[in-house]
Amino acid sequence: KAGVTQTPRYLIKTRGQQVTLSCSPISGHRSVSWYQQTPGQGLQFLFEYFSETQRNKGNFPGRFSGRQFSNSRSEMNVSTLELGDSALYLCASSPEGRPYEQYFGPGTRLTVT
Amino acid sequence: DQQVKQNSPSLSVQEGRISILNCDYTNSMFDYFLWYKKYPAEGPTFLISISSIKDKNEDGRFTVFLNKSAKHLSLHIVPSQPGDSAVYFCAAHSNYQLIWGAGTKLIIKP
Repeated sequence: KAGVTQTPRYLIKTRGQQVTLSCSPISGHRSVSWYQQTPGQGLQFLFEYFSETQRNKGNFPGRFSGRQFSNSRSEMNVSTLELGDSALYLCASSPEGRPYEQYFGPGTRLTVT
Repeated sequence: DQQVKQNSPSLSVQEGRISILNCDYTNSMFDYFLWYKKYPAEGPTFLISISSIKDKNEDGRFTVFLNKSAKHLSLHIVPSQPGDSAVYFCAAHSNYQLIWGAGTKLIIKP
């Protein structure tokens, strides 16, 4: 099976802009989670979706949003970018019934200037 | 507050010996604990998990031990190989999210 794919892999944006990141889960996985990794805060949970429904959300401002489509693909959006949003954004998918077993994509490296 | 802690930022082990990575947690509501391996600029790779109702799980060279009374888990890698050099993260699952430790950098010396 193909793994989790994320696009784009690298992105440079300017403060105030918005960005959309995409994630395609492993075939058959319907749960998709998003995490942010920064040197200062480590890995932090953003949100999790299953069958187009958000089941949990981390402690991030409303500028961070996500959605999931009927084919389980997911997008996350960050509006009004700040310098502190520079990070590696990771997407993971899980098999049904095992939400703890998360398989990660390579991530999208976002740099905000 | 840090719910999952890895107190050793780095660990150096001789090739062929046992590597022991440690993790402490504070929340008794976690239902699963996991270990991941990570290289820079890549996503974490799932290694092994353990249910909160178990005390040991083994998969090849990797064994995870869970001590619920001490709220402590450890990952044993035997024997250690050069390809094991990476950052290892402990994570705990609750309510569809993983809470992560800060990671331990494992260096395997030839």
